[in-house]
Amino acid sequence: QSALTQPASVSGSPGQSITISCTGTSSDVGGYNYVSWYQQHPGKAPKLMIYDVSNRPSGVSNRFSGSKSGNTASLTISGLQAEDEADYYCSSYTSSSTLYVVFGGGTKLTVL
Amino acid sequence: QVQLQESGPGLVKPSQTLSLTCTVSGGSISSGGYYWSWIRQHPGKGLEWIGYIYYSGSTYYNPSLKSRVTISVDTSKNQFSLKLSSVTAADTAVYYCARISSTSCYVDYWGQGTLVTVSS
Repeated sequence: QSALTQPASVSGSPGQSITISCTGTSSDVGGYNYVSWYQQHPGKAPKLMIYDVSNRPSGVSNRFSGSKSGNTASLTISGLQAEDEADYYCSSYTSSSTLYVVFGGGTKLTVL
Repeated sequence: QVQLQESGPGLVKPSQTLSLTCTVSGGSISSGGYYWSWIRQHPGKGLEWIGYIYYSGSTYYNPSLKSRVTISVDTSKNQFSLKLSSVTAADTAVYYCARISSTSCYVDYWGQGTLVTVSS
């Protein structure tokens, strides 16, 4: 069982917008602005898409955006494209004395 | 552009020790500001953080693996390594080395990943 909770799957049609949620606790998502999101295509390493809740690394499309409210972070992808079909993982710093970083279980995005 | 590359055996026998090395290019491990980490992904599953090492040698491990994990660094070779002892089939996974920002806890660079299978 992952420390952060994500929906197993989401889907959308090309051009639409989708949002993936990531729910944690006040010890991780809710307590710090250190949430990041990763995109992973089959057989590939994950790729950083969002860091510090809402910042995009250089080269990442502005169709990807992040936000947070309370203990839940969200990744929104607007103007869906076929190439966006992938697995998405959230991650957060945690103040747990036994862990440093926690991941979500991942969400499979299907572009219909 | 920082690049990370894992190397090591792709097949390990049960009860033996899994050993992987990550070679970093395009940047120095000794430059500070980052934790050099190992993350694994079981087939068809999510990501699991194994642990990290700072260039000074300080380490932090996932408690679920702590008794079996050792991460070390060789700054002269710009490499860091993972040893996981007493492996079982449950340790079969793709192992990634990665660079984590020490201030914001995000992975900005990943290795390509290497599949390690535990089987006799």
